[in-house]
Amino acid sequence: GEDVEQSLFLSVREGDSSVINCTYTDSSSTYLYWYKQEPGAGLQLLTYIFSNMDMKQDQRLTVLLNKKDKHLSLRIADTQTGDSAIYFCAESMSGGYNKLIFGAGTRLAVHP
Amino acid sequence: GAVVSQHPSWVICKSGTSVKIECRSLDFQATTMFWYRQFPKQSLMLMATSNEGSKATYEQGVEKDKFLINHASLTLSTLTVTSAHPEDSSFYICSATNPQGYEQYFGPGTRLTVT
Repeated sequence: GEDVEQSLFLSVREGDSSVINCTYTDSSSTYLYWYKQEPGAGLQLLTYIFSNMDMKQDQRLTVLLNKKDKHLSLRIADTQTGDSAIYFCAESMSGGYNKLIFGAGTRLAVHP
Repeated sequence: GAVVSQHPSWVICKSGTSVKIECRSLDFQATTMFWYRQFPKQSLMLMATSNEGSKATYEQGVEKDKFLINHASLTLSTLTVTSAHPEDSSFYICSATNPQGYEQYFGPGTRLTVT
């Protein structure tokens, strides 16, 4: 069945780059997403990448997609304390309606 | 743009009562809305897919008679938790898909506590 896996925790120093990794199983996924969730809040769409792309950059965020290995990563440059949150990777399922399957989330802790 | 709201943001109810949660897309029409449930420190679990004007599609293991979903307009979907029990206490999050269908925007969530 469909499955999305992420490492659960990442700790980085302020100003360094953060790289959050994700693997997925459905090779027919059309879009892959990164969402950010702060405590007690809903999910904020950070960025997404279409499955025929290898890379997408949006300001401090860079998404890399290795479709062969079904591996997705999110790089946050110059990580700030405000980036501390849980980051969810999600894949869209084929068959319409944009149904998403989420990973367990990676908790990013940024320390001075 | 692409703002989704939920009401209420938190609710406490007694066991056996019903609770309605509203999800609204504020600045776009959402033909499809989704309802998720999130337990503490866990990921989101999709409960159902709601399409305007038709019956919701429930995920396996989700009781449709307990979690009633109504999507009466292109900007409003409601989730009613009927005869709530303490095990229904959770964080309920809705999302809506933009007209192009590939961006999904989430509401701020509703924390339900059943005593």
